[in-house]
Amino acid sequence: DTEVTQTPKHLVMGMTNKKSLKCEQHMGHRAMYWYKQKAKKPPELMFVYSYEKLSINESVPSRFSPECPNSSLLNLHLHALQPEDSALYLCASSHKPHNSGSNVLTFGAGSRLTVL
Amino acid sequence: DQQVKQNSPSLSVQEGRISILNCDYTNSMFDYFLWYKKYPAEGPTFLISISSIKDKNEDGRFTVFLNKSAKHLSLHIVPSQPGDSAVYFCAASAGGNKLVFGAGTILRVKS
Repeated sequence: DTEVTQTPKHLVMGMTNKKSLKCEQHMGHRAMYWYKQKAKKPPELMFVYSYEKLSINESVPSRFSPECPNSSLLNLHLHALQPEDSALYLCASSHKPHNSGSNVLTFGAGSRLTVL
Repeated sequence: DQQVKQNSPSLSVQEGRISILNCDYTNSMFDYFLWYKKYPAEGPTFLISISSIKDKNEDGRFTVFLNKSAKHLSLHIVPSQPGDSAVYFCAASAGGNKLVFGAGTILRVKS
């Protein structure tokens, strides 16, 4: 299995809703990432988990709450989002944590989020 | 401050010809560079990479060139095929710490 699976593919939510994005990989990777991508912009790093511990938080607002229940799963809990948070959210994984030399990330297809 | 820049939003090439995608960076601490390809409705897929100790890396039809003095790298695809039509992202890291992406270049290969 060489895939990163993200669910749901599309999500529409109101500003008062609570929802979650899910990500799963079975490649034995020990680092997992959340990226955010707006239209015509590059992917921007949000969070990095290394061996199930949060190692990087790129000053992301607290309305985004990551969780890594085990080495195969990564969640992103969403609460009280704003319309400007609408974007493609990409999950990725890699063999090595970020600070361990050259690092190739495997990405999922993304979850397209629309906040009304 | 964009540390990785892809100044050409799009590129159109005839099938069989060479495609050259360019990328410039500003951070001299970057020591590892990658190219990713992205099709619509899919996540980015790793294509090829190069370490700063090299100036060229080749993998089949894909070759990446690195010019450290100019802080410039390029991806050559030859011969280009219609299936290569996608968005290409350049990315860079400093000691593996934080992958920074460029804005991407849309490549269209015409048959």
